[in-house]
Order: sequence, then C-alpha cells, then structure tokens
Amino acid sequence: QSVLTQPPSVSGAPGQRVTISCTGSSSNIGSGYDVHWYQQLPGTAPKLLMFGNTNRPSGVPDRFSGSKSGTSVSLAITGLQAEDEADYYCQSYDSSLDAWVFGGGTQLTVL
Amino acid sequence: QVQQQQWGAGLLKPSETLSLTCDVYEGSFSDYYWTWIRQPPGKGLEWIGEVNHSGSTKYNTSLKSRVTILLDMSKNQVSLKLTSVTAADTAVYYCARGTYCSGTRCYGIKWFDPWGQGTLVTVSS
Repeated sequence: QSVLTQPPSVSGAPGQRVTISCTGSSSNIGSGYDVHWYQQLPGTAPKLLMFGNTNRPSGVPDRFSGSKSGTSVSLAITGLQAEDEADYYCQSYDSSLDAWVFGGGTQLTVL
Repeated sequence: QVQQQQWGAGLLKPSETLSLTCDVYEGSFSDYYWTWIRQPPGKGLEWIGEVNHSGSTKYNTSLKSRVTILLDMSKNQVSLKLTSVTAADTAVYYCARGTYCSGTRCYGIKWFDPWGQGTLVTVSS
C-alpha cells in the first residue's frame, strides 16, 4: 500500500485531456511538501516529468501541467497523444516515515 | 540528458549479497544526493537510500539493517550492497541523482533526475 494514492489507471482518446490525481496526508503533501511527477514508458527507466508541483524540465511539452490543492495534487495532460501511453508516478517526502515516497503509479492508456 | 550507467550481478541465490555500481558525473558532487530506487516486477517504485558528497547516508527504515550505499569520488561511482537477499528483493534497481535545485531556484523536496537504465536482479534458488 503506497503512502501516496493514485488511480491505478486512466484512459482517453487522442486529443482529449486527462488528469491523474495524487492524494496524500498530513505527513506528506498536507504538510506542504512539494510533489514531483515521473513518466515511465514501457520497458524504460522513469523520467522526470514535473518538479516542484508545477514546473516542467526542459524538453517536456507544455501539454503537461501540474497543480496542487491541500493534500492532493494533479497532473493534467492535454492534447493526448499515443506516445503519452505510459505509467505515471508522483513522489514526495513523508515526515512520519522520514523517507522519499512514491505513489503506486497510474497506467495511462490512449484509446 | 545523459543517463546514469549502472551494472552488477543479475541473478542471486537467497541469503547472498546484492552488489550494484553506478557511474556518477555531471556537475558538482556537493549539489547532489546519489540514490538507489527499486521496482519489483509489475509494481511501483520504492526508495532504498542515498549518499551525499560528504558520505552521509540515509536509508529506508524497512531496509536499513541490510543496506549500505557508498560514494567513491575517486572513481566517480556510487555502490549499493543489500545483504541476505530473499525473493522479495527481486526487482529492477535504479540509481538516480537527487537534487533540490533547478538553476538558482531550490525547492523543499528533492527529485530524481537522471536515472540509470536499471538492473534486473532476480533472487531464486
């Protein structure tokens, strides 16, 4: 059971918008800790997609955006493309565990 | 961005010691935390631990008694040792560089970038 909760799967048609939520608690996201997102394409290592809740590394398309509200954060992908099909993970810090923690991951399917 | 290169034995027997090494480079050592993360087949990511430029380490409490992470700056390498492995330690192991800062702006929680290509370690008798 992951400390950060994500939906196991989401799906959308090409061109549509999807969101992936990441919900925590008072010992992690609720304490104001930043959240980062990773994209893991099939058979590859995770790649940083978003840092500091809303910031895209160089090279990440602006179709990807992040938001944060209370104990929940979200990753939005607009103009969905087939190449976006991947697993997405959120990551933060948990003060109770004193550890860097990840969400369980969300599998995005492009229909 | 250049990927961290990592290597090590991929097949172990129960009770043996897992040993992996990762090349570290790009930028000042003092800015980064060299980290190991694992992913069991078909499952999510688990942070194992980290070492900084001064050799200070931090480990996941669930693995702390079995884990050692070392940084060898003379070789630009970070290593992971996990003792007394069992089938539950079967996973893809990744090395990654942790940082709090992008350019001149720093954040409260570190992120991991780049990652190594991953090494599948299978524990089986």
